[in-house]
Amino acid sequence: DTEVTQTPKHLVMGMTNKKSLKCEQHMGHRAMYWYKQKAKKPPELMFVYSYEKLSINESVPSRFSPECPNSSLLNLHLHALQPEDSALYLCASSQDGGLGYGEQFFGPGTRLTVL
Amino acid sequence: GESVGLHLPTLSVQEGDNSIINCAYSNSASDYFIWYKQESGKGPQFIIDIRSNMDKRQGQRVTVLLNKTVKHLSLQIAATQPGDSAVYFCAENIWGNKLVFGAGTILRVKS
Repeated sequence: DTEVTQTPKHLVMGMTNKKSLKCEQHMGHRAMYWYKQKAKKPPELMFVYSYEKLSINESVPSRFSPECPNSSLLNLHLHALQPEDSALYLCASSQDGGLGYGEQFFGPGTRLTVL
Repeated sequence: GESVGLHLPTLSVQEGDNSIINCAYSNSASDYFIWYKQESGKGPQFIIDIRSNMDKRQGQRVTVLLNKTVKHLSLQIAATQPGDSAVYFCAENIWGNKLVFGAGTILRVKS
């Protein structure tokens, strides 16, 4: 299995809702990532988990809360989002847990719309 | 899927021609670079990578060139095909696992 899966593919939520994005990989990778991508822009790093511990938080607002329950799963919990948070949320994983070398494998993303 | 438009530089090439996509990176300490391809409605897909101790690396139909002196990266695609049409991003590894993506270039292949 050489892919990263993400659910749901599409999500529409109101500003008072709580929802979660899920990401899964079974490649034995030790690092997992959340990126945010606005239309016509490059992906922007949000969080990195290395060996199931949060190693990078790119000053993301607390309404986004990541969780890594085990080495194969990564969640992004969403609460009280704003319309400007609407974007494509990409999950990625890489074999290397710390040095940064090696390909990051990306999932297809969750298209999030906040009303 | 997501549409790309006028805000990204666009390279239009004829099918069968070679394509060269350029990228300037920001951090002279970056030691690892990757090119990704992103098709509409999909996540980025790895194309080729290069470490800073090299100045050229070749893959199947693709070549990456690295010029550390001017902080420039290029991706050459030989015999461009319609399936190569996509947005191409260079990315630099700033430190640890932190990858920073360039703005992207749209490649359009005309048949």
